[in-house]
Amino acid sequence: DIQMTQSPSSLSASVGDRVTITCRASQGISNSLAWYQQKPGKVPKLLIYAASTLQSGVPSRFSGSGSGTDFTLTISSLQPEDVATYYCQKYDNAPLTFGGGTKVEIK
Amino acid sequence: EVQLLESGGGLVQPGGSLRLSCAASGFTFSTYGMSWVRQAPGKGLEWVSAITGSGFSTYYEDSMKGRFTISRDNSKNTLYLQMISLRAEDTAIYYCARKYSISSGFDHWGQGTLVTVSS
Repeated sequence: DIQMTQSPSSLSASVGDRVTITCRASQGISNSLAWYQQKPGKVPKLLIYAASTLQSGVPSRFSGSGSGTDFTLTISSLQPEDVATYYCQKYDNAPLTFGGGTKVEIK
Repeated sequence: EVQLLESGGGLVQPGGSLRLSCAASGFTFSTYGMSWVRQAPGKGLEWVSAITGSGFSTYYEDSMKGRFTISRDNSKNTLYLQMISLRAEDTAIYYCARKYSISSGFDHWGQGTLVTVSS
């Protein structure tokens, strides 16, 4: 099965900083990758699918890129409301594996 | 408005069984693939199982094959997860989630139902 590895596992950044999270698949998955945001005590929310397509209603400071095995989620200017754990997920074929998550905090 | 409402969670002893339900509304249920995703306390998301819109095809995470069974009743707009031989490590919040399309992730999630496996 394909493994999904996220890095870093946590990060602390200042408001306004550019933040980048990486997700690596152990084998190529084309662009079949989604990113989710889960705020503390809340349900996960779809941010990006097809590696780079922003879900409706998601702020434009979020962006995704990559294809094959290497993907990134970028927050162009970190805001206090972005404090959350972010997960990548492959969805090309079962198992629809999630990455381990990246916890984003404000410095 | 799309709504997914899970039920059926609770406290169960190791080796016991439980059936979770997810009542869907606000969309044509039979045209969407659905999944169960779980999250152990303080841990990350773990995909559990998926089923196609017709219910014809089902998929499982390896460690749950043979113990968990996903099914759906499109006449009742309801998704199910039958769990047997439960273990302490199955303790988690179980979410049902809708897969928007073959080329998208899970665009709607329920609020989750807590399953606690303990003696």
